[in-house]
Amino acid sequence: AQSVTQLGSHVSVSEGALVLLRCNYSSSVPPYLFWYVQYPNQGLQLLLKYTSAATLVKGINGFEAEFKKSETSFHLTKPSAHMSDAAEYFCAVRSGNTPLVFGKGTRLSVIA
Amino acid sequence: GAGVSQSPRYKVAKRGQDVALRCDPISGHVSLFWYQQALGQGPEFLTYFQNEAQLDKSGLPSDRFFAERPEGSVSTLKIQRTQQEDSAVYLCASSFRGGTVSGNTIYFGEGSWLTVV
Repeated sequence: AQSVTQLGSHVSVSEGALVLLRCNYSSSVPPYLFWYVQYPNQGLQLLLKYTSAATLVKGINGFEAEFKKSETSFHLTKPSAHMSDAAEYFCAVRSGNTPLVFGKGTRLSVIA
Repeated sequence: GAGVSQSPRYKVAKRGQDVALRCDPISGHVSLFWYQQALGQGPEFLTYFQNEAQLDKSGLPSDRFFAERPEGSVSTLKIQRTQQEDSAVYLCASSFRGGTVSGNTIYFGEGSWLTVV
């Protein structure tokens, strides 16, 4: 069975500071990993995905994530936070013919 | 259409009432998914269609939940005799290819917000 653990339900950073949102996964087969962002009252928007190509994946809005098999991690980073980055972020895993499994989410707050 | 469209966006139902939630996937997308997102939680899988075939309904929480996609495009999620615990956002998503290609991007709609009072 697959699962995702997002460490920290709420992360707060200052504008311009590094953003680091943590995600660890569990999967018995090579996984595909995704980060989605959800703004208030909106659906989920794909930020980036790992599909067994390069381990460092670049996404939209300046975000990137690195797949580390030895650590079963897929942490999301952004060098400099903007106010517009404040949202809920979800890590998700999928492998084989299984449905996309989401973590519980991390709310990012950006302080001016 | 340009994106996944869901209606109604907001629904208030009295306990015991039946509701129907509609999803229009992106045109030409083979796969369609329904997810349930409770307040403060991540989305939880409900069911999956490939064209008109419902291939996985393991996430439906009870027999009060029923989904269909009769012509392989529009889908409806029906909840009978709604209960307060059914209050959640119901997200529909679609992807171009069938479910065996795990790396496919799955596109989500804005959700239908159901409140049962």
